[in-house]
Order: sequence, then structure tokens, then C-alpha cells
Amino acid sequence: KAGVTQTPRYLIKTRGQQVTLSCSPISGHRSVSWYQQTPGQGLQFLFEYFSETQRNKGNFPGRFSGRQFSNSRSEMNVSTLELGDSALYLCASSMGLAGGPDEQFFGPGTRLTVL
Amino acid sequence: DAKTTQPTSMDCAEGRAANLPCNHSTISGNEYVYWYRQIHSQGPQYIIHGLKNNETNEMASLIITEDRKSSTLILPHATLRDTAVYYCIVRGTGGGSNYKLTFGKGTLLTVNP
Repeated sequence: KAGVTQTPRYLIKTRGQQVTLSCSPISGHRSVSWYQQTPGQGLQFLFEYFSETQRNKGNFPGRFSGRQFSNSRSEMNVSTLELGDSALYLCASSMGLAGGPDEQFFGPGTRLTVL
Repeated sequence: DAKTTQPTSMDCAEGRAANLPCNHSTISGNEYVYWYRQIHSQGPQYIIHGLKNNETNEMASLIITEDRKSSTLILPHATLRDTAVYYCIVRGTGGGSNYKLTFGKGTLLTVNP
């Protein structure tokens, strides 16, 4: 079974621009979560989508948004980029079903550099 | 904030068992203990999870104390490729409003030749 894929793997943008990152979950998984990892803050949860609906949200400003399509693929958008948005952005997929354990499987990440 | 406490770093000799401790004294009855690891600049890798019984898979064993306030991840025969940051995470069941993995700083395990 193919793993979680993320595109692009590397991205360089300048301040003020916007960026869209893409994530394709493992086949059959309906939940996609996004995380930001920086040296200072570590791994932080951004949001989770399940069946095209945002189900959970972390403490990030509204410049960070996402969506999920009917095939469970997800995109994450960051508008008006700031230097502090430079980070590794990780996506994780899982079955997302309620009532039991739910292992999340991570993709390789997209390394975003804001100049 | 992470609900777990782990040592910052540990060393282990290649071929020996690596025992990584984790304290989660405020764990709730329906919360699971998950272990992930992250090799430098890669995405975290799922290792194992458990509720109250000990668990074993092809990668590791998870020992959870009877009061569930602490656990130990055991890598039975550590290799150099096991050098990574190991995260112990407590989380409720899937589908709930708190459905996220809250990562702490983890334990940097260094396996030495």
C-alpha cells in the first residue's frame, strides 16, 4: 500500500506571497491532519479534515487554511507569508473513525523557506 | 501542552535493548499511549500504541504500568538506524473533538557502535 505523499517536497517563497501544499493520504484513509514543525516550537497541530469537513483546529492564525476533496486528498494554504512560516509542514492520514485507537501515518513533509 | 514527560536524551549500545521511559500521570481512562519516532528531517514514524495491556509488534514492545501513569518503549536489539527522537503521546479515541497528536520534545536516542 502506498504511503502518504506530499508535494512539493521543497519550496522557496518570499514574504507576502501565498503558498499551497498538497497531501495525498493512504488509500482508504478519510482523515488528514496537518502539522508544522520548527526548531523553536517543535511539532504543532494545525488542523484535521475528515470527509471534506474541518473537524479540529489548532491555534494558528487565519492565514493558515485547508480543505479536503472528495477523494480525501487535502491541500493547505498559507497566505501573506511571514519569515516565521519557514518550517517543515507535515501531513498525516488515518482512518479517523470514532471510538477507538487511530494510528496516524505521516508523509515526508514539505520544507518551506520564506525569504 | 504535552501531557507526557520524557528524558531529553539517552544512549544505547548497538545490539542492546533500548528502554525509553515516559510518564503520563494525568492520563484519562479512555486515552491511549502512542509512540512515534522521527529520524532527522523525515516525517514521524508510527511505532506502537496501547491502552492498558502490554503490546508487541515487529518494531517494539510497549509496557504500561498497572496504574497507567507511566510506560516504557522497548527496542529489543537496537541498531544504528534506530537513532532518532522518540515521542510518547497520550491521546483520546479517534473522531473526537480533541483528535490531534500533541508532541512534546521527545527523547533523543543515540545508538552507539
